[in-house]
Parts: sequence; C-alpha cells; structure tokens
Amino acid sequence: QTVVTQEPSFSVSPGGTVTLTCGLSAGSVSTKNYPSWYQQTPGQPPRTLIYRTYIRSSGVPDRFSGSILGNKAALTITGAQADDESDYYCALYVGGDISVFGGGTKLTVL
Amino acid sequence: QVQLQESGPGLLKPSETLSLTCSVSGASLSSYNWSWVRQPPGKGLEWIGYTDYSGKRNYSPTLRSRFTILIDPSKNQFSLKLTSVTAADSAVYYCARGRVPGYWGQGTLVTVSS
Repeated sequence: QTVVTQEPSFSVSPGGTVTLTCGLSAGSVSTKNYPSWYQQTPGQPPRTLIYRTYIRSSGVPDRFSGSILGNKAALTITGAQADDESDYYCALYVGGDISVFGGGTKLTVL
Repeated sequence: QVQLQESGPGLLKPSETLSLTCSVSGASLSSYNWSWVRQPPGKGLEWIGYTDYSGKRNYSPTLRSRFTILIDPSKNQFSLKLTSVTAADSAVYYCARGRVPGYWGQGTLVTVSS
C-alpha cells in the first residue's frame, strides 16, 4: 500500500517561515503526482490552498507557495500569522486512478 | 461558483447500508472527476474513491470492497453507498471535485450506533 508521509507536527514563530513536506513511502514525488495542499481548522471542511504542485487556489494569500523540494512536495508559509495555526494535509495521485492523503501536519504558531 | 452539497442520513445502525448523495451546481459533471473523502472524528482525511462522467471509477485499495460510487448526470449528482456499516465507519463524509480533490462540499456527519 502506498503511504504518503507528512510531519506530524511543526511549530513556527509569528512572522517566520516554515516548510511542510509530503513524501511517498516508495519513490519520489513529482509534478505527475499532482500534489495538493489543504488547510483545515476544527469543524470546517478542508480548504484547498495549492493544487497541481504550485497553483494557488482563488483567494489564497501569496505567502503560501507549493513546490517540489528534493524528492518531496513542499508547502512553504512565509510570514506566518496566528490564524495559520491549523492542520495541513497533502494529497497525491499515486497512479492506477488512486489518490492518497498524508496523515496531516499540525502547525502551531507561537 | 462551484458548489457541492452532501445529503443523507446522519444516524445508522450497525450492518445497515449508508447512502449519500452529492448534488453539484455551477459545474458540469462531464468536465471533471468526482471523489468521496471521509474523516473519522479527531483523525485525518481518507480518500475513498472517485468516478468520472462515464462511470469509470476506482477506490482506495484499503476500502474497496464495501464502497460503491455511482454517477447520475441527469440529476447532476453522484453518490456513495457503503454496505454493512460499523462504528468504525462513523465519520464526516465529504464529496469533492477532482480525483485529487479541489472543490469540497461542507461535509455530512454520519454516526453508526446501535
């Protein structure tokens, strides 16, 4: 079974920069995995931040950016704000008409 | 503006069949793939499966056997059926656009309890 890996937790200082990553248990992530990133706060549906590796969804501030770093997809938040404190999930297309979510990263801003 | 809205029963008993419908507005079913995702309380997101306009579909290998996703273009809806539910199937169920989800519905909470 393909496993998508994310850091369980991360912390960043207000105004700081943080990079969350999304990897595969076997192999490297590429643009062909169509990496997407989601932000979720309690009781709310996920909000799509980034799709197809680096395309920001409408209304998403440009301090959120997506990329491929090494063999993983990455979400970078530049100038973190208090309301960025959320759970962040990535999803990858892993082939065979199947997508998989990562386990999520709990981001703390303090 | 694309909108997706899940509907279905909020409470089921063990062994019953769950049926959920996703009504889509602002987008044609024929232009995209359509997915179902669930999230158990306090846990992460789990991709269940997807369908395209023609009815081509696939499911997570870990969940495949009990789920069925169908599409009804005439109603601009697609649906999810889960047989023999157990407490472990209690979750918020989301419908979404895209095989890798893009637009999301608000989700519907399904509780399985005797």
